Amino acid sequence: AQSVTQLGSHVSVSEGALVLLRCNYSSSVPPYLFWYVQYPNQGLQLLLKYTTGATLVKGINGFEAEFKKSETSFHLTKPSAHMSDAAEYFCALIIQGAQKLVFGQGTRLTINP
Amino acid sequence: NAGVTQTPKFRILKIGQSMTLQCTQDMNHNYMYWYRQDPGMGLKLIYYSVGAGITDKGEVPNGYNVSRSTTEDFPLRLELAAPSQTSVYFCASSHGQGSRELFFGEGSRLTVL
Repeated sequence: AQSVTQLGSHVSVSEGALVLLRCNYSSSVPPYLFWYVQYPNQGLQLLLKYTTGATLVKGINGFEAEFKKSETSFHLTKPSAHMSDAAEYFCALIIQGAQKLVFGQGTRLTINP
Repeated sequence: NAGVTQTPKFRILKIGQSMTLQCTQDMNHNYMYWYRQDPGMGLKLIYYSVGAGITDKGEVPNGYNVSRSTTEDFPLRLELAAPSQTSVYFCASSHGQGSRELFFGEGSRLTVL
């Protein structure tokens, strides 16, 4: 069975600092990996995705993630945090042929002025 | 393109009442999903459908029912509402092929008193 683990339910960084949100996965076959963002009182929206090909994936709002098969990780980074990045972030996985995404528990990102 | 539309956005129910959360998508997606989100608990899958006339249970189906008579609509029925069903409900859809990205509605906040 597949699983997704997000390390840290709450991350706090200062404005302008590096954002690093950790995601590790378990899958017996190559997965498709996603990061979703949820702003307060809104639905989830796709931030970026990895399917095949280049392992460094760039998304919206300056975020990127790197698929590292050897480490079974898909960590999300942004070089310089902005106040508008405050939100909850979800890592998710699906394998080819499956019908349902597997979500991590989410990480709430707080930005300190 | 409206995407995924959920109604109502807010609802207060009394214990034992019933109601239907509506979800419609205009992207001709085959796959549709209902999730509930409770604080700090991530997303839990209630029911999903891979096409008109086909539905299946997710992780937490008890107390809910669904139907999928058309590609566009996937209503969620709550029978005999209980306080444990107080939550935010999200409908999502996916093409089911290719990148497998989920598109989410804005959510329906339900309170059972």
